[in-house]
Amino acid sequence: AQSVTQLDSQVPVFEEAPVELRCNYSSSVSVYLFWYVQYPNQGLQLLLKYLSGSTLVKGINGFEAEFNKSQTSFHLRKPSVHISDTAEYFCAVSDERAAGNKLTFGGGTRVLVKP
Amino acid sequence: KAGVTQTPRYLIKTRGQQVTLSCSPISGHRSVSWYQQTPGQGLQFLFEYFSETQRNKGNFPGRFSGRQFSNSRSEMNVSTLELGDSALYLCASSVGGTTYNEQFFGPGTRLTVL
Repeated sequence: AQSVTQLDSQVPVFEEAPVELRCNYSSSVSVYLFWYVQYPNQGLQLLLKYLSGSTLVKGINGFEAEFNKSQTSFHLRKPSVHISDTAEYFCAVSDERAAGNKLTFGGGTRVLVKP
Repeated sequence: KAGVTQTPRYLIKTRGQQVTLSCSPISGHRSVSWYQQTPGQGLQFLFEYFSETQRNKGNFPGRFSGRQFSNSRSEMNVSTLELGDSALYLCASSVGGTTYNEQFFGPGTRLTVL
């Protein structure tokens, strides 16, 4: 079984400032890692994913994340946020070897970008 | 290419009733997964269907069921509704059978149980 902890439930940040959203996971097996974004009244959209290879993953909208196996973390960063980045962000994992599309999500981090 | 569509978008029911939610995946996608999103429990996996077969199931009571049709469209049913079933129900589709492939989420159906 896997579990995901997002350490911050809310992160206020000023426009054009950097932001980091923290994600730690627990799993007895190798996992794939994901970050999703949810805008108000919408479904989830994939920002980026780590499957294998380089531990620094670049995604859409200027986001990137770094996989750290020893610390079981997958933190998301953006060097300069915009008002439009106001949304809820979810970290998720899946069992690398399991058949199927089951994702285990963290509790989410609400990002509020202030002008 | 059309995205994942879910109908209806909003639904109000009373305790004890049953409800059926529908999900149409992206054309060519064979996997459909369902998730429940609530403020208290967050996003929780309900079940996944692939080529009309349920492949994975989350920890939900038997009141929650689903099915997938030959055209990959999926429905989920909740019987004997409880107040705690009020949630946003999200469906996601994927072309393949593992999370190696990207899952695309629909906008959700917001169910309110009174």
